[in-house]
Amino acid sequence: QVQLVQSGPEIQRPGASVTIWCRASGYSFSAFGLNWVRQAPGLGLEWMGWISPSTGRTKIAQKLQGRVTLTADRFTPTVYLELKTLISDDTAVYYCARDLSQSSVGLPAHWGQGAQVSVS
Amino acid sequence: EIVLTQSPGTLSLSPGERARFTCRASQTVPSDSFAWYQQKSGQAPRLLIHGTSTRATGIPARFSGSGSGTDFTLTIASLEPEDVAVYFCLHCVGPPCTFGQGTKLEI
Repeated sequence: QVQLVQSGPEIQRPGASVTIWCRASGYSFSAFGLNWVRQAPGLGLEWMGWISPSTGRTKIAQKLQGRVTLTADRFTPTVYLELKTLISDDTAVYYCARDLSQSSVGLPAHWGQGAQVSVS
Repeated sequence: EIVLTQSPGTLSLSPGERARFTCRASQTVPSDSFAWYQQKSGQAPRLLIHGTSTRATGIPARFSGSGSGTDFTLTIASLEPEDVAVYFCLHCVGPPCTFGQGTKLEI
């Protein structure tokens, strides 16, 4: 079965960077895209970006361009989200989520457990 | 950038009643780009509906989706207590993708 396991909670200072990871198992890692979605406390879902593990191609939400870097390691198999120049508004739970199918690009269907990032 | 606006903000209903959630896009979107999610307290979201009206694997038949153009609807035919959650719509072409702000369902 598809399983996405994410890294643990992080506490960072404003201005710092954070890297969180998402390790995939139970399917062909290179065959499906992976999304990152975050949720600030008490608020809704914000789509952040998407990566194709096979090509390394990424799509990043416009408001986060320049601060977000997505990478994938096909050997581990793990995807990474680096968020730079942290501000308090980045405090959120960060989810990775696999695409539903190879043809449903950017449609999150299988979710990780979430990783709490706190900026203070 | 397409903006999705969900209504109402909160829906308060009783078990057995029908629930209707609405999501309006700021411009016409393809039907195959539209999805609905359920998020229970403390949990990750769960995909309910994709392609406007296709139920995801394991989703009960009481959940259905419809719509086209700019207006999309999620319907729960007969509410059960475990349906308490926040429901989000999603539009995705490409990506990038956009979520609606969510509707909270109280039972």
